[in-house]
Amino acid sequence: NAGVMQNPRHLVRRRGQEARLRCSPMKGHSHVYWYRQLPEEGLKFMVYLQKENIIDESGMPKERFSAEFPKEGPSILRIQQVVRGDSAAYFCASSSGRETGQGGNEQFFGPGTRLTVL
Amino acid sequence: TQLLEQSPQFLSIQEGENLTVYCNSSSVFSSLQWYRQEPGEGPVLLVTVVTGGEVKKLKRLTFQFGDARKDSSLHITAAQTGDTGLYLCAVRPIQLGRGSTLGRLYFGRGTQLTVWP
Repeated sequence: NAGVMQNPRHLVRRRGQEARLRCSPMKGHSHVYWYRQLPEEGLKFMVYLQKENIIDESGMPKERFSAEFPKEGPSILRIQQVVRGDSAAYFCASSSGRETGQGGNEQFFGPGTRLTVL
Repeated sequence: TQLLEQSPQFLSIQEGENLTVYCNSSSVFSSLQWYRQEPGEGPVLLVTVVTGGEVKKLKRLTFQFGDARKDSSLHITAAQTGDTGLYLCAVRPIQLGRGSTLGRLYFGRGTQLTVWP
């Protein structure tokens, strides 16, 4: 039973290039979350998606960043015209979306993609 | 401003020692979670606490949720080198009229624990 998968694990881009980060949620999970982690800031929420829908994108920069979770295939976080400040670890998490009364609906995290912008 | 304040930021101890790390806020939460993250990996959920005053034990780890549901602590007894990692607390703020457990998590900046042999 595979966990959340992310690829690539490491990505190097030059300024101005595009970065595409992929996330395959756990089997049976239809909710995906993207977070960014910087050493000085900790883990910050970016976007929450369900299949074919963006539920909450309030944590994602308005420009250059976009996310999708198509009916078929992995969720994609896309960063256009990358800048040095985009260098960070990007984590994807998935959940079943089943509500519980005990603070459940656990989010399972992938191993992350470490983006380095030269 | 940070919603969750974790302390200490760094902790370095010898194997066998006991330790406590803290997660504090001025806000009230419906639940609070503790995660551990190892280098090069994603966070792994350790526990969810829901009720004010609740205490949960996971082997040598003891988690407590404050009576007012604003803070939490994690106590490790007889630390081992395998306990080394970044300990993160996370919450979903209470949304008025909704008890949803879906949606974003807010994380503290974490306590980096190093246990030396």
